[in-house]
Amino acid sequence: GQQVMQIPQYQHVQEGEDFTTYCNSSTTLSNIQWYKQRPGGHPVFLIQLVKSGEVKKQKRLTFQFGEAKKNSSLHITATQTTDVGTYFCAWGNFNKFYFGSGTKLNVKP
Amino acid sequence: SAVISQKPSRDICQRGTSLTIQCQVDSQVTMMFWYRQQPGQSLTLIATANQGSEATYESGFVIDKFPISRPNLTFSTLTVSNMSPEDSSIYLCSVESPDRVFGTGELFFGEGSRLTVL
Repeated sequence: GQQVMQIPQYQHVQEGEDFTTYCNSSTTLSNIQWYKQRPGGHPVFLIQLVKSGEVKKQKRLTFQFGEAKKNSSLHITATQTTDVGTYFCAWGNFNKFYFGSGTKLNVKP
Repeated sequence: SAVISQKPSRDICQRGTSLTIQCQVDSQVTMMFWYRQQPGQSLTLIATANQGSEATYESGFVIDKFPISRPNLTFSTLTVSNMSPEDSSIYLCSVESPDRVFGTGELFFGEGSRLTVL
């Protein structure tokens, strides 16, 4: 079956440092999404990538989808305390959506 | 976008009892999803609920334990039956945005129902 690994599990950074989380699949993905879940909150959609090699930016966030559509990354430049939360990748498969294990980001001021 | 109201927001339940979680969406949607999120963990898909048909359950989840109703295009319920402490979790209702690109759209979530089973 399809296996998607998300790393790292935790990341502690000093405010202003960069942060990256990765999702790696054993099979080709038709699309990948990224969500952010603040402590005590529910997941909130950030972006969707569907094309091979696609790169999208949202202010300090950069999202990439690999050429083979088997991996994806979310990079945050110059983290802020408002970036604290857990970041999940997710993918759709036959109208169902599955989530990676998540990367919990803690930002020290 | 979609606004999802979910209740109860939290509850404390006794072992062996059942609890029904309600999910109301402010627009008509074809598919609704129920997820479970155990403390500190990721989201696990329980089932997909389509209006007018039986829910489709993921491996490890069965209808007897998690019966789902979907009486119309804006409402669904999930019942957690014969609860045990292992069922303590957050249960999330979700719908897919109708804005589709290449087959899938973003998911919107309710605020979740935090269940504690004693």
